[in-house]
Amino acid sequence: AQSVTQLGSHVSVSEGALVLLRCNYSSSVPPYLFWYVQYPNQGLQLLLKYTTGATLVKGINGFEAEFKKSETSFHLTKPSAHMSDAAEYFCAVSENTGGFKTIFGAGTRLFVKA
Amino acid sequence: DAGVTQSPTHLIKTRGQQVTLRCSPKSGHDTVSWYQQALGQGPQFIFQYYEEEERQRGNFPDRFSGHQFPNYSSELNVNALLLGDSALYLCASSGAFSGNTIYFGEGSWLTVV
Repeated sequence: AQSVTQLGSHVSVSEGALVLLRCNYSSSVPPYLFWYVQYPNQGLQLLLKYTTGATLVKGINGFEAEFKKSETSFHLTKPSAHMSDAAEYFCAVSENTGGFKTIFGAGTRLFVKA
Repeated sequence: DAGVTQSPTHLIKTRGQQVTLRCSPKSGHDTVSWYQQALGQGPQFIFQYYEEEERQRGNFPDRFSGHQFPNYSSELNVNALLLGDSALYLCASSGAFSGNTIYFGEGSWLTVV
């Protein structure tokens, strides 16, 4: 069975500092991995995804994530935080076993201090 | 190109009532998934519809049911509402050309009083 663990329900960084949001997954088959962002009172927006190929994935708004199979991790990073990055971030995993059931982590709320 | 659209955006129901939420998938998508997101939590998978049939189901009781129409739009029905059903209900669509990527609507906020 698939599962996702996001380490840290809240992360606070200063504007201009590195953003690191941690995600570990469990999957019985090679996974597809995703990061979504949710702004207050809105739906989820896809930031980036890993399917196959290059393990370093670049997404929108300057975010990137690296798939590390040996560590079963897919951590999200951004070199320099901006105030507009303050939001809830969700890591998700999907197994291509005939259905596209996507399982989400509990989320990490990112706070950006001026 | 319209994205995933959901209606209504907000609604309030009384315990024991029934509710129907609606979703139109993104153009070109034929698969619809429904998620429940309680306050402060991640989305929980309810079920997925493809070719008008329920293809996969999460750990939700039979009070939660759905339907998919020939135009790929979908409904989520919840019977005998409980206070704990209060949540944001998210619809997501995907298709052959989106791979395993699902795209979300803005959601329907359900409050049960």
